[in-house]
Amino acid sequence: KAGVTQTPRYLIKTRGQQVTLSCSPISGHRSVSWYQQTPGQGLQFLFEYFSETQRNKGNFPGRFSGRQFSNSRSEMNVSTLELGDSALYLCASSPQRAGSYEQYFGPGTRLTVT
Amino acid sequence: DAKTTQPTSMDCAEGRAANLPCNHSTISGNEYVYWYRQIHSQGPQYIIHGLKNNETNEMASLIITEDRKSSTLILPHATLRDTAVYYCIVRVKTGGTSYGKLTFGQGTILTVHP
Repeated sequence: KAGVTQTPRYLIKTRGQQVTLSCSPISGHRSVSWYQQTPGQGLQFLFEYFSETQRNKGNFPGRFSGRQFSNSRSEMNVSTLELGDSALYLCASSPQRAGSYEQYFGPGTRLTVT
Repeated sequence: DAKTTQPTSMDCAEGRAANLPCNHSTISGNEYVYWYRQIHSQGPQYIIHGLKNNETNEMASLIITEDRKSSTLILPHATLRDTAVYYCIVRVKTGGTSYGKLTFGQGTILTVHP
């Protein structure tokens, strides 16, 4: 079974721009979560989507948003980029059914804001 | 989610067992112990989880003390490829504010030496 895929793998943007990252979950997984990883703050939860609905949200400003499509693929968007948004953005998918709630992570998108 | 405490770093000789401890003295009755690891520049990888019984899979064994206040992840025959940051996470399986959310601490840097 194919793993979680994320595109693009690397991205360079300038301050003030906006960016959209994409995540394709493992087939059959309906839940997609997004995380930000920086050297200073470590891995932090952004939000989770299940059946096209945001079920949970971390403590990030409104510039960070996401959505999920009917095929469970998900996108996250960051508007008005700041230097501090430079990070590895990871998505994870989960079966979210009885006995199976573990998350499987993709390789991440490395975003650099200049 | 209950807070966890892990040693900052550990060393292990290749071929020997690696025993990674985790303290979670405030764990609640419905919270599970999950272990993930992150090899440099990759997304975290799910290893194993358990509630109160010891668990084993093809990757590792998880030993949870009877009072559930601590646990140990055991890699029975460590290889160089097991060098990674290991995260112990305590959480309910799903529901409410835990939907899709993993709270990562600093983890233990395990270095396997030849």
